[in-house]
Amino acid sequence: DVKVTQSSRYLVKRTGEKVFLECVQDMDHENMFWYRQDPGLGLRLIYFSYDVKMKEKGDIPEGYSVSREKKERFSLILESASTNQTSMYLCASSVAGTANTIYFGEGSWLTVV
Amino acid sequence: QKEVEQDPGPLSVPEGAIVSLNCTYSNSAFQYFMWYRQYSRKGPELLMYTYSSGNKEDGRFTAQVDKSSKYISLFIRDSQPSDSATYLCAMPHGGSQGNLIFGKGTKLSVKP
Repeated sequence: DVKVTQSSRYLVKRTGEKVFLECVQDMDHENMFWYRQDPGLGLRLIYFSYDVKMKEKGDIPEGYSVSREKKERFSLILESASTNQTSMYLCASSVAGTANTIYFGEGSWLTVV
Repeated sequence: QKEVEQDPGPLSVPEGAIVSLNCTYSNSAFQYFMWYRQYSRKGPELLMYTYSSGNKEDGRFTAQVDKSSKYISLFIRDSQPSDSATYLCAMPHGGSQGNLIFGKGTKLSVKP
């Protein structure tokens, strides 16, 4: 069974804090993704990675960075959290070269106060 | 025009009804079409995918693609309260590498 695990389900952080969201997948997938989901805006891609140490900007990368040091782990970093980054963050993974095997984690609900 | 458009609903139907969920898209290069189901406070789960035009059936679910109209549909037969969720259509963005562009989702409620 495919498993994408987001270690933190609910977080409350203060404005200006550095925030780390961690994601681990156990299916040896090459591709990993970070999306955010907001009411009325749907899912929007922040960053994705095709391989270890590789990253590509998605549609809304501003204010975020990512790290992929190991194949199974993809971290999203908010360098200085702001209230407009309050959102649900979803990690996903997929097999390289495929468009029909994207699996999502349960989501991380981040509130920035 | 947005690349993928989906009516957000909400859509409320009685148990046993046939449900029709739809998306339109603007990019004629899209070839893969996915439907995800998302329960409240959970991540989306892949429900069905189709390649190119035609129909695909899986139990009570049928996915339909009309590439000439740039229109895709998901039909749910004999809907159940457990089908209450948000349904998102999705298409690969920029080739087959798998980063998807999503519709905004239609919230469905099936009343017992």
